Amino acid sequence: AQSVTQPDIHITVSEGASLELRCNYSYGATPYLFWYVQSPGQGLQLLLKYFSGDTLVQGIKGFEAEFKRSQSSFNLRKPSVHWSDAAEYFCAVGANTGFQKLVFGTGTRLLVSP
Amino acid sequence: DGGITQSPKYLFRKEGQNVTLSCEQNLNHDAMYWYRQDPGQGLRLIYYSQIVNDFQKGDIAEGYSVSREKKESFPLTVTSAQKNPTAFYLCASSIRYRGESYGYTFGSGTRLTVV
Repeated sequence: AQSVTQPDIHITVSEGASLELRCNYSYGATPYLFWYVQSPGQGLQLLLKYFSGDTLVQGIKGFEAEFKRSQSSFNLRKPSVHWSDAAEYFCAVGANTGFQKLVFGTGTRLLVSP
Repeated sequence: DGGITQSPKYLFRKEGQNVTLSCEQNLNHDAMYWYRQDPGQGLRLIYYSQIVNDFQKGDIAEGYSVSREKKESFPLTVTSAQKNPTAFYLCASSIRYRGESYGYTFGSGTRLTVV
């Protein structure tokens, strides 16, 4: 069965600084990988996803993520953080065959300081 | 625009009451899901349904029930057997099979509070 680890519960970044949120997954083959963002009291919004092909994927709001098979990682990055990026971020993994539910990490809360 | 609608946004339950949370989607998705979210615990799966008239228990199904009589609708009932129902509940949907369009679409959530 697949699993996801987001090792950082909270991260604080200064506005304008770069951001990297870590995600490690466990799955025997190439998985489907997702990053979602959640603002307080809201549902989750899809930032980006990886299925196959180019390992660097671009998403909405200036985010990107890189799939590294050798490290079983799918880290989320943004070159310059804006105060509006403060939210909770969830990484998720899904199997690439059959019907499998997505498995979500426990989330990383991003705080943006002035 | 297509999407998922959850209602109500806020719900208050008295001890011993059953309450039903609504989830409706117009995305023509086959699969639907209910998650519970508590601070620091991420998303925990309650129930999911791959097709109409079929559903399966997730990781924390005790004290909850669902139905899937229509493709568009997947209501969740929080029964009196659920001892700690105060939480944020999220509904999601997806296509059933893998492909470029695969991924969950989420509703905006219902916050349930026991009073």
